[in-house]
Formats: sequence, C-alpha cells, structure tokens
Amino acid sequence: DTEVTQTPKHLVMGMTNKKSLKCEQHMGHRAMYWYKQKAKKPPELMFVYSYEKLSINESVPSRFSPECPNSSLLNLHLHALQPEDSALYLCASSRVPNEKLFFGSGTQLSVL
Amino acid sequence: AQSVTQPDIHITVSEGASLELRCNYSYGATPYLFWYVQSPGQGLQLLLKYFSGDTLVQGIKGFEAEFKRSQSSFNLRKPSVHWSDAAEYFCAVGGYNNNDMRFGAGTRLTVKP
Repeated sequence: DTEVTQTPKHLVMGMTNKKSLKCEQHMGHRAMYWYKQKAKKPPELMFVYSYEKLSINESVPSRFSPECPNSSLLNLHLHALQPEDSALYLCASSRVPNEKLFFGSGTQLSVL
Repeated sequence: AQSVTQPDIHITVSEGASLELRCNYSYGATPYLFWYVQSPGQGLQLLLKYFSGDTLVQGIKGFEAEFKRSQSSFNLRKPSVHWSDAAEYFCAVGGYNNNDMRFGAGTRLTVKP
C-alpha cells in the first residue's frame, strides 16, 4: 500500500460550521504534513508532525487545528473559516522527515 | 532563506517533441531538489529528486533532470512528450528535512496533438 488517502474529496461549509479533514497512510511513515494550495499556486506548508508530535506550525490561524491520533492518521479540524480559506488541502507523508513526500489527492474545500 | 524560480508559467509543446522546464534555486547549503507533477484536482507525484552524487538524475515516466551548481539550476527534460504529460510541474528545494521545502510557482504544460 503506497497511498495516502484523504477524505472527503470535496467539502462545502459555512463560516459557522465545524468540520474535519482526514488523512490516512499505512506505509509506516513517521512524518505527516498538511499543505494548503490555492488555485494556480504552489502548495504551502501548514503543519508537520514528526513521530506524532507537532514539529512545525507555519503561523497558521487558530481556526485550523491539526491532530495526529496515531502514526497512521492525521486530521485537520476546521472551525469558523473564512471564504479566503477555500483551497485544495493536501496531506503528505514521508518515511522520516528528510525523505520524499507522498501526497494524497487532496480535499477541495469551499467556504461560503 | 531558500527560494525557487520557475521562469515559465505556461509552455505548449507538440506531442513527440522534446521538453525542457526550467528551475533556478537559491539555497545557502547543499540543496535537496525535487520535481513534482500535479494533474488538475489531484495531489502531487514525485518525478525525481537530487540529493547528491551523479548530477544527471533519472526519474519516472521518462523524465530526467540535471543539477548544475554553477548555474543554480535543476532543469527537467523529456526527449519525447506524450499527451498524458499535460499537467502542472513544480520544482522544489529543501534542506535536510521536509520542514524547509519550498515549491516554485509551477509551470503548466499543454501538449498539442
């Protein structure tokens, strides 16, 4: 299994909603990442978990809250988002923090 | 801080023609260099990477890239483009760990029949 699986693939939410994005990998990778990608732009790093510990937070607003329940799962909890948060949210993993990234297909998020 | 420049926003080539996508980087130490490809609405797939050693790197799908330290470049090449190669291509540079990775703005490749 060489996949990173993200659910849901599409999500539409209002600004007062609470939702969660999920990411799962069964490759035994010990580093997992959340990226945000706006249309026609490169991915931007949001969070990195290394060995289930948050190792970097790229000054992301608190309305985004990551969670790593175990080494295979990564969640991104969303609350009180703004329309400008609409984007493709990509999860990635790597065997260890300095090896190549495997990306999921992403969750296309629209905030109304 | 590291940065990546992809000078070409959009390139169009005919099917069967050769391809070169340009990438220039700025990094204070020995860089780790990557090329990723992204189809619309999809995640990124690694084509190839350079960490050290031979400066000509072979990747998947017939792609190769050459690291030229003197020019701070890591250009991606393919001898004969297929229609399925149409996608967005991102060059990325990083350090020892992926926390430092930065992506270029991307080059969109269109393939004409």
